[in-house]
Parts: sequence; structure tokens; C-alpha cells
Amino acid sequence: EIVLTQSPGTLSLSPGERATLSCRASQTVSSSHFGWYQQRPGQAPRLLIYSASSRATGIPDRFSGSGSGTDFTLTISRLEPEDFAMYYCQQYVTSPITFGQGTRLEIK
Amino acid sequence: EVQVVESGGGLVQPGGSLRLSCAASGFTLSDHYMDWARQAPGKGLEWVGRTGNKINNYGTEYAASVKGRFTISNDESKNSLYLQMNSLRTEDTAVYYCVSYQWLVAYWGQGTLVTVSS
Repeated sequence: EIVLTQSPGTLSLSPGERATLSCRASQTVSSSHFGWYQQRPGQAPRLLIYSASSRATGIPDRFSGSGSGTDFTLTISRLEPEDFAMYYCQQYVTSPITFGQGTRLEIK
Repeated sequence: EVQVVESGGGLVQPGGSLRLSCAASGFTLSDHYMDWARQAPGKGLEWVGRTGNKINNYGTEYAASVKGRFTISNDESKNSLYLQMNSLRTEDTAVYYCVSYQWLVAYWGQGTLVTVSS
């Protein structure tokens, strides 16, 4: 099983600041099958990034993804109030499909 | 527009059964890989299982936690996916999501809540 470890567990920042979220895999992951999600309380996960670096439809360009192999990063260039939420990474090709445990992005 | 809508959740006693449905629109379900995922209250996301597409004869895979109890199937005529859940346990309480993968992009439904409690 590919274990995805996200860091930090909680990130406290202010609006306008830059956020950098990390996801490390226990073994090499196909970049084509790696994604990032945002989840607000009471809502379904929202796809932000697929194939490690491609923004999903309707996602603002302040969100960007990078990385390959075992290390992936989600960057939010300038935080907006609506960006404070939970973020999950996922690899979706190797069974069992796995998610990271999540990073909580909170307002400082 | 690609859309998946889950239904069928509810309250069930431990040991009971429930069948969830996922209605697909805007695409042909049998052409794409489909997953079920879940999220227990206050917890993270967990993959439940996957069915392949028509080309790979709808091969299925399951998480260890549900293997032998849950079964994924589909009905091409209704363009729908199903999750048959048997021998339910309290730890199966969660919001269950249907997910479609289309050219590497994942489409999620809004989820349906399953509560297993006596």
C-alpha cells in the first residue's frame, strides 16, 4: 500500500500570505494519477489539481501543484478567506487507492 | 455536464444491509473507472472500492476493510453504479461518495450518509 503523509498537520497563516502544503509517498507514485482536494465543512471534496500539476476546471490560478516521484507540493500563492479549509492529497492508480491524512489550513 | 448523484443512505442496524446508488449523467458510466469512497464523521477520506470499465470487463477491487462484505455493480441500461453493503458495522458509519475518473480528472458526487447504529 502506498502511504501518503501530509505535512504540516495544521498550517496557520493570514490572508494574503503564501501557503505550501506537502505530500510525501512511501513509494514512487505516477504523477499522472496524483491529485489535491479542498474540503470545507459539510461539503464534498473539491478537486483542485489533477495529474500533479494541472488545475481542474474553475480553479483560480493562485492554486498550483508540483512534484514527482515521492514528493508533491500544493502552493496557494495569496490566501483568500475562502481558502481556509482541509486539504487532501490522493494517488488514484495503485490499489488500494490512498489519501493523505489531510492538512488543516487555518486563519492565524 | 458530468454529474454523479448518490442516493440510498439511511439508518441501519449493525449486521444489516443497504444498497447505495450512483446515477451518472453527462457521460456513459461503462466507459470509465468508478470508485466509492467514504468519510467517517470527523475523519479523513477512505477509499472503499473500484470498478473498471467495459473494456476491462468491469474488474473490481476493494479495500481490505470491506472486502467480502461490500459489492460494486452497475446497470448499463440505467447508467448507474451500486454499492451493496452487507454485514454492516458501526465503523461503516460515514458519508459515501461516488467518484468518476475521466481522462485523469475525478468527478465527485455530494455524498449520501449511512449511519449504522442500534
